[in-house]
Amino acid sequence: KNQVEQSPQSLIILEGKNCTLQCNYTVSPFSNLRWYKQDTGRGPVSLTIMTFSENTKSNGRYTATLDADTKQSSLHITASQLSDSASYICVVGRIYTGTASKLTFGTGTRLQVTL
Amino acid sequence: ETGVTQSPTHLIKTRGQQVTLRCSSQSGHNTVSWYQQALGQGPQFIFQYYREEENGRGNFPPRFSGLQFPNYSSELNVNALELDDSALYLCASSLEADLYGYTFGSGTRLTVV
Repeated sequence: KNQVEQSPQSLIILEGKNCTLQCNYTVSPFSNLRWYKQDTGRGPVSLTIMTFSENTKSNGRYTATLDADTKQSSLHITASQLSDSASYICVVGRIYTGTASKLTFGTGTRLQVTL
Repeated sequence: ETGVTQSPTHLIKTRGQQVTLRCSSQSGHNTVSWYQQALGQGPQFIFQYYREEENGRGNFPPRFSGLQFPNYSSELNVNALELDDSALYLCASSLEADLYGYTFGSGTRLTVV
């Protein structure tokens, strides 16, 4: 069964600190892995997209890693800011039909950054 | 370049009613995917439309239906609403059925009472 599991479910950190979110997946055949940031009641916003051959990708203070052998990914947030408070969702795409990639979403990690 | 817009932003319906949600895709995108996101959960795939044809469907009953127009905008229709249909409905557009990544709209919050 295609699944994406994220940990921790929630996290509280102090402003300025770093944190790392984890994602394990069993999706096959693998196409790509994405990390999204979702503010409450809003649509997800893409942070990074990685294909099988990529093992790291950065977007400002966000750095995602991918180990396709162990089917694990992480999202590292550096020097956190209050505006980083949101849900972070790991999404894995698999080849569905033709060029269509079906996405499997994790349930997200709820991050709260405090003073 | 316009992003993905969804309407309405919020909606309250009574159990048994029918609802239509609308999505305008990002300029240049020909694929629209619909997702249902219950509170505290990740989005669940409903279906995808690519060049006006259904191009994949998730585990949702037939009372969830949709269509895509020649301008690639899309509608999600839900008949015989149930209380469990209360959720945030997200629309995402992309080019060529997801080869180039998704852009999500802000969603429609549907409440069924």
